[in-house]
Amino acid sequence: DAKTTQPNSMESNEEEPVHLPCNHSTISGTDYIHWYRQLPSQGPEYVIHGLTSNVNNRMASLAIAEDRKSSTLILHRATLRDAAVYYCILRLNYGGSQGNLIFGKGTKLSVKP
Amino acid sequence: DTEVTQTPKHLVMGMTNKKSLKCEQHMGHRAMYWYKQKAKKPPELMFVYSYEKLSINESVPSRFSPECPNSSLLNLHLHALQPEDSALYLCASSQDRQGAYGYTFGSGTRLTVV
Repeated sequence: DAKTTQPNSMESNEEEPVHLPCNHSTISGTDYIHWYRQLPSQGPEYVIHGLTSNVNNRMASLAIAEDRKSSTLILHRATLRDAAVYYCILRLNYGGSQGNLIFGKGTKLSVKP
Repeated sequence: DTEVTQTPKHLVMGMTNKKSLKCEQHMGHRAMYWYKQKAKKPPELMFVYSYEKLSINESVPSRFSPECPNSSLLNLHLHALQPEDSALYLCASSQDRQGAYGYTFGSGTRLTVV
């Protein structure tokens, strides 16, 4: 399975932007970059995904490097409710493992008031 | 309806019991998944169903038996579990298995085996 590397933890102040990095140097041309987050005692929640171009939605923005070997999830104004574990996942688009969501360790984001 | 509903939310069972976990979605998704999550660990993929057929069994012991009776429903039958099987069991669905689609997760069943 394609691997991603994320920092174990990050801290942010409330109402400030947060940039969560992810390295995926072994990404192949058809792998989608997905981000999910998991709040305490809840199931993972879809945040955003992309292939090559930067993406925006109501929750966050996803900036993808031109060579696609890294990406950054951007929360524009962190709130206390954004404190969660954020997972960056490569979702294969072919082969026997097509579409499987294989979680790595993720980044635990803490938000300070 | 944009949710995946899992029941029960909590389950305590003895090692000789037989129980079932239930997962339901009405989004028309044709791929459904079971994950197991131990405390402070990421979710681990157990089973993948695509168009009601089992696609992947990630070397899961036979005491876990999945079933997909129809496109909206996914069950996980449990029998002769061990205390180390205590975990949060998560169900998810996606439009299909293509990488372009996101997953929707349920909030899980917290299982305790005594």
